[in-house]
Amino acid sequence: KAGVTQTPRYLIKTRGQQVTLSCSPISGHRSVSWYQQTPGQGLQFLFEYFSETQRNKGNFPGRFSGRQFSNSRSEMNVSTLELGDSALYLCASSDPNTGELFFGEGSRLTVL
Amino acid sequence: GEDVEQSLFLSVREGDSSVINCTYTDSSSTYLYWYKQEPGAGLQLLTYIFSNMDMKQDQRLTVLLNKKDKHLSLRIADTQTGDSAIYFCAETPMDSSYKLIFGSGTRLLVRP
Repeated sequence: KAGVTQTPRYLIKTRGQQVTLSCSPISGHRSVSWYQQTPGQGLQFLFEYFSETQRNKGNFPGRFSGRQFSNSRSEMNVSTLELGDSALYLCASSDPNTGELFFGEGSRLTVL
Repeated sequence: GEDVEQSLFLSVREGDSSVINCTYTDSSSTYLYWYKQEPGAGLQLLTYIFSNMDMKQDQRLTVLLNKKDKHLSLRIADTQTGDSAIYFCAETPMDSSYKLIFGSGTRLLVRP
């Protein structure tokens, strides 16, 4: 069974640009959540989706958005990138039976 | 409020036991988790404990929970060099069951 797949793994953007990150959950997992990991702030919850609906949102500005498709794949978008958005963005899908989160390897974003 | 704290660094000799500590503030947390992150990888769930338990043992791992002091610890017996990684504790707040609040992580270095 394939794990959580995140693309791209690495990307470099400049300030003011926007970026879209993709996450394919484990087959059968309908809940997808996103986290930002930085050296300064650690791991912070961004948002969680289930059946194409956002159920919970962290304390991030409106530049951070996400969505989920009918096949449970999810994307997150960051507009008007700032230097501080440089981070590892982790996606996790949740086992519907146990609730355990399975994390992808992350997308490492560098903003120059 | 939501806050999870950990010490930043721990160094032990191979074969010794490691104890990683964590304090949390949300007394209503239902589940408390320990995750492991190796370089360049996502997060791997090691173990978890339900808030009505005091202790959980899983092979080399022992989790102790002191609800009165809001203190969680992870003991790794017979620590190996492959255990070198960053360890995160995390809680699921009662009012937000779809997100995890992570500690800052403890970097464990196992010396040969």
